Order: sequence, then structure tokens, then C-alpha cells
Amino acid sequence: GQQVMQIPQYQHVQEGEDFTTYCNSSTTLSNIQWYKQRPGGHPVFLIQLVKSGEVKKQKRLTFQFGEAKKNSSLHITATQTTDVGTYFCAGQDTGRRALTFGSGTRLQVQP
Amino acid sequence: DTEVTQTPKHLVMGMTNKKSLKCEQHMGHRAMYWYKQKAKKPPELMFVYSYEKLSINESVPSRFSPECPNSSLLNLHLHALQPEDSALYLCASSPKSDRTSWNEQFFGPGTRLTVL
Repeated sequence: GQQVMQIPQYQHVQEGEDFTTYCNSSTTLSNIQWYKQRPGGHPVFLIQLVKSGEVKKQKRLTFQFGEAKKNSSLHITATQTTDVGTYFCAGQDTGRRALTFGSGTRLQVQP
Repeated sequence: DTEVTQTPKHLVMGMTNKKSLKCEQHMGHRAMYWYKQKAKKPPELMFVYSYEKLSINESVPSRFSPECPNSSLLNLHLHALQPEDSALYLCASSPKSDRTSWNEQFFGPGTRLTVL
């Protein structure tokens, strides 16, 4: 079945440093979504990417969808303590209707 | 109203009990989902309802029984659960689930279930 892996599993940064998480799917995706889950909270939608090679920005966050539509990345510039949480990618396989969540990257930001 | 609500927030039940989790949204979304999330793990899809019809069952054991009484409500009936079923149960909804793509999902706060 479809597998979606993220690396790293965990990252601890100093406030102001940059952070990147990578998402890799075993199958080609029709689209990919990113979610953030704060400790004790629920996943909150950040963005959806649909096109091959697509890049989208939200303030300090930059999202990319790979040319082959099998990988994606989220980059945060100059992290803040409010960025703490677990970041999940979620991909839709072209052959299935279900979203599969990646394993997640937990970000800790030291003030 | 732009939120998904879930009740109860916490539930403790024995293995012989029958209980139900409830989820409600008033955003006019026509797709609703149940997920199970264990600590430090990603959400795992359990069921999908599209236009009040069950469209996906991810091989979930029959001790979990979903129900969608109308487009705003989603229930998950629980019976004869096992301790390993203890987890956070998340409900989500999304607008216009069509055949080819899924839109963003709005998650509720979840029900934290403990099975003794």
C-alpha cells in the first residue's frame, strides 16, 4: 500500500534558525496537503499543492511539490516559538481517494 | 460557524460497554471522516462518508460502527473495545469531496478514549 515518510522525525532548533521537513511518497500523488498539530491539539490545515513543481509561500513558510509528484517539502525561515508542533504532510494517491498522512516531523524551538 | 465539534472530550469505558462518539459541523461540508490517532503517530483514516453514504472503510474492526444520520452529523458507535483501541479519535469534514481530489480537511478537537 501507499507509504508516506517524513524526515526528520524530530528537530530541535534555536529561535531564529531555519527548519525544513521532507515528505516522500512511495507512489505518485495527485495532490499533497500540509497540516500542523500543536501539542495537545488537533491537525490544522496549512496548504494544498496540486501541480508538479509547485511552490507556495505563506509568510515565513515555503512549500514545494516535487516535479515527479512523489515528494514535498516545508521550509520555515527564522523559526519562532509559535512554530512548535508536529508538521504532517498528507498525500492523495492517484489510484485511491483516501489521504495518507506522513509520519510527521516534531519541531521544538528553543527561545 | 467554521468549526467541527466533538463530544465527549474524554471517555473512559470498559471492554463490555457500548458508547458513542459524536461529531457535528455546520459548514455545509459533504464529506466527513473518522480518524484514530495514537500518541506521537499520524492520524490513521478509519471511515469516510461522502454525501451521507459510507464511501471508504479502511478495514476497521466491526466493534467500530459509523453512522451518518444527516449531512451535519457523524457518529461512531463503540462496542466490545479492547485496551489497544485507546487513542484520540478525530472527526474531520471537507467541502465537495469529488471523485478526483480531496479538499482541505477541518478537524475537530477529538475525543480521548481510554478502554480499561
